[in-house]
Amino acid sequence: DQQVKQNSPSLSVQEGRISILNCDYTNSMFDYFLWYKKYPAEGPTFLISISSIKDKNEDGRFTVFLNKSAKHLSLHIVPSQPGDSAVYFCAASGLNNAGNMLTFGGGTRLMVKP
Amino acid sequence: GAGVSQTPSNKVTEKGKYVELRCDPISGHTALYWYRQSLGQGPEFLIYFQGTGAADDSGLPNDRFFAVRPEGSVSTLKIQRTERGDSAVYLCASSRGTPTGELFFGEGSRLTVL
Repeated sequence: DQQVKQNSPSLSVQEGRISILNCDYTNSMFDYFLWYKKYPAEGPTFLISISSIKDKNEDGRFTVFLNKSAKHLSLHIVPSQPGDSAVYFCAASGLNNAGNMLTFGGGTRLMVKP
Repeated sequence: GAGVSQTPSNKVTEKGKYVELRCDPISGHTALYWYRQSLGQGPEFLIYFQGTGAADDSGLPNDRFFAVRPEGSVSTLKIQRTERGDSAVYLCASSRGTPTGELFFGEGSRLTVL
């Protein structure tokens, strides 16, 4: 049973437009959500996070929105740039009091066309 | 270096063989995690160390998998009697152990079992 799901395996966006990546979760015990970005042959790198007590967090071109009632979060990138082309993973933490074990979604491949 | 270092970057082995994958975390990071990423999927938690001890090994798929971190720094993931289904990228991550859940990942070790 997947506790974190990214239902869109890929997304194609024109440069300069907005990219919206979506993520759904099932466990209401998650208390922290993160987005990671992954280029080929590299490890995932942290992008932005949000605590469950907030509904929005913004960092430059990246904004994460959290809708707890719907158990849904989204990552907005605006304006999108070709260098943003990568696989984006949604992750959640909070189930394991002994550490920050992350539960990841399956990823969405974003392609930003010049 | 400043980041998480994993060796080897690629390992090809035959079914039934034993393999070891090494992770050198960021200096000063007390928490260390192993994840496995199969093709087209998100990283899947295997084991978490806080210091020298395995605080959570609930993600290890079976008793062929074992990991150690004897001095609280470098960790080795050991796989006995490898099977073709073990083929994946094995990712190591470290963190300061703060509640934010930000993990710093290495580039991964790609294991191929023939």
